[in-house]
Amino acid sequence: TQLLEQSPQFLSIQEGENLTVYCNSSSVFSSLQWYRQEPGEGPVLLVTVVTGGEVKKLKRLTFQFGDARKDSSLHITAAQPGDTGLYLCAGAHPNNDMRFGAGTRLTVKP
Amino acid sequence: DTAVSQTPKYLVTQMGNDKSIKCEQNLGHDTMYWYKQDSKKFLKIMFSYNNKELIINETVPNRFSPKSPDKAHLNLHINSLELGDSAVYFCASSQDSDRYYGYTFGSGTRLTVV
Repeated sequence: TQLLEQSPQFLSIQEGENLTVYCNSSSVFSSLQWYRQEPGEGPVLLVTVVTGGEVKKLKRLTFQFGDARKDSSLHITAAQPGDTGLYLCAGAHPNNDMRFGAGTRLTVKP
Repeated sequence: DTAVSQTPKYLVTQMGNDKSIKCEQNLGHDTMYWYKQDSKKFLKIMFSYNNKELIINETVPNRFSPKSPDKAHLNLHINSLELGDSAVYFCASSQDSDRYYGYTFGSGTRLTVV
């Protein structure tokens, strides 16, 4: 059973479009992180959210943590081909490790 | 300077062999991890080490054994390799006292068992 469910699993859009991907769980997390992974590389941390309702912006990326700290969303404005990759969310597990969702594979076509 | 480095990048081996994957971090982090990423890209925790103590050991076959000679290294040794062990293995590290800064991952080792 996966602790974190990510949707959609796959997303293919044209350059310039906006998109939102989701990370949902029935568990409460003390913190939640988003990573991006490119082919042949390891995941790279984008952001950590800690407070319920928190919103963080990283250039064209906007991250939101749900009020109950069970879910999160990532919104990308005016997507570019360089945004292509696997987006992973990870929640802090009570055992003190991070548990990952299965990811959303984003393809941005020029 | 590579923060978390793994070797080898690719490993092709026959069933039944024993192999090791090495990992080193130069970040001064307290904790190191091994994750397995399957063909569907799902990352699953295998082990973590904090100050030479194994603090997490998921339901991983005992053919897999982590070995940490010091705080900067966490190697993964695999005995009697099976076809199902084929996957990408990632090493990661974190400053355990503050996971807010997240994990730093290596670039992965693609293991193929034939």
